[in-house]
Amino acid sequence: SQTIHQWPATLVQPVGSPLSLECTVEGTSNPNLYWYRQAAGRGLQLLFYSVGIGQISSEVPQNLSASRPQDRQFILSSKKLLLSDSGFYLCAWNLSPTEAFFGQGTRLTVV
Amino acid sequence: AQSVTQPDIHITVSEGASLELRCNYSYGATPYLFWYVQSPGQGLQLLLKYFSGDTLVQGIKGFEAEFKRSQSSFNLRKPSVHWSDAAEYFCAVGSGGGADGLTFGKGTHLIIQP
Repeated sequence: SQTIHQWPATLVQPVGSPLSLECTVEGTSNPNLYWYRQAAGRGLQLLFYSVGIGQISSEVPQNLSASRPQDRQFILSSKKLLLSDSGFYLCAWNLSPTEAFFGQGTRLTVV
Repeated sequence: AQSVTQPDIHITVSEGASLELRCNYSYGATPYLFWYVQSPGQGLQLLLKYFSGDTLVQGIKGFEAEFKRSQSSFNLRKPSVHWSDAAEYFCAVGSGGGADGLTFGKGTHLIIQP
């Protein structure tokens, strides 16, 4: 069966420090991969999606970047975190638009 | 561009009472519609989805939702809520035509009174 792993579960980072969040999917091939951010009272915002290795689409301009070095690995990064980067980050995958499966999320607090 | 509106930020319901969470969407074609539930600090769990066929969709945990094209709505219902239903509920719409992800509403926080 397919599973999705996200880590770390929680992270506290100082302003200006770098960020790397990792997401991996097991049990499937060539999934579409997504990074969402959930800020308090603002629902879920799609940040990036990828339909294949090295293919990244950005939905909003921001201080973050994404990479897909392997078929089932999706990484969210920042060179210098801002206070406004705090939030709950969710990775998701699907094979078709009729489904979407989410990881357990990473709670990022920038201090 | 597609959008989703969940007009109720918070809803309080007594345990055993019925529940309806509202969702309105904006999309030019037939949408793919989803309801997810999120417990505190957790990821999202799919409750149900609609993309064709019968407009009344049954999901997990006793939830159902009805797609009404004329009202651009996809409201979530449950006849009798349990304390364990307290959570955040998200309605989402997908374009159905590509890999560009789901558009979510801002969520409704459900509180269950004993």
